Amino acid sequence: EAQVTQNPRYLITVTGKKLTVTCSQNMNHEYMSWYRQDPGLGLRQIYYSMNVEVTDKGDVPEGYKVSRKEKRNFPLILESPSPNQTSLYFCATKSPSMNTEAFFGQGTRLTVV
Amino acid sequence: DAKTTQPPSMDCAEGRAANLPCNHSTISGNEYVYWYRQIHSQGPQYIIHGLKNNETNEMASLIITEDRKSSTLILPHATLRDTAVYYCIVRVDSGAGSYQLTFGKGTKLSVIP
Repeated sequence: EAQVTQNPRYLITVTGKKLTVTCSQNMNHEYMSWYRQDPGLGLRQIYYSMNVEVTDKGDVPEGYKVSRKEKRNFPLILESPSPNQTSLYFCATKSPSMNTEAFFGQGTRLTVV
Repeated sequence: DAKTTQPPSMDCAEGRAANLPCNHSTISGNEYVYWYRQIHSQGPQYIIHGLKNNETNEMASLIITEDRKSSTLILPHATLRDTAVYYCIVRVDSGAGSYQLTFGKGTKLSVIP
């Protein structure tokens, strides 16, 4: 079964304490991306990766880092989280074939106090 | 990507067909119509997509008007588990570069027992 797995699902942390949200997919897709979802703002892309060792900024990359050392994993790193990064985060992956669907993880609800 | 317009909310009786409209009057000839749904803060789930022909899969049917300026997603026998926000997205996928899905506000479908 095609799966995109994020961990943790819920996280409450304090300002400035580094954290990592993991994302793993079992579909052998090259493309992976991270979104955040906030009320009234929809989903906004943070970073994406076209392949191993290839990452690019999305619309809202400030305060985030990513890495893509292997195809299946695409962790999202918050080096010094701030309260404005409190959000619902989704990882997504897609086949490189044109006009196919994207698969999303279950989401990670992050609260930074 | 072309802009889409959807009603903010709809109700549907359980067991009846749910017909969700979407206007995309500025759609280009090579842009596809995609539908996703999001059930209560879970990850968005792909439903169906099409270019100009009507499409059907195990989840839904997609009816695209001949001029492609609007479409309708049909859930033939809505169940309570179909209660979700449904997003209509229009985009062309070049197969290269960032694949960013722009989710608008969508239509909140409430299936009533």
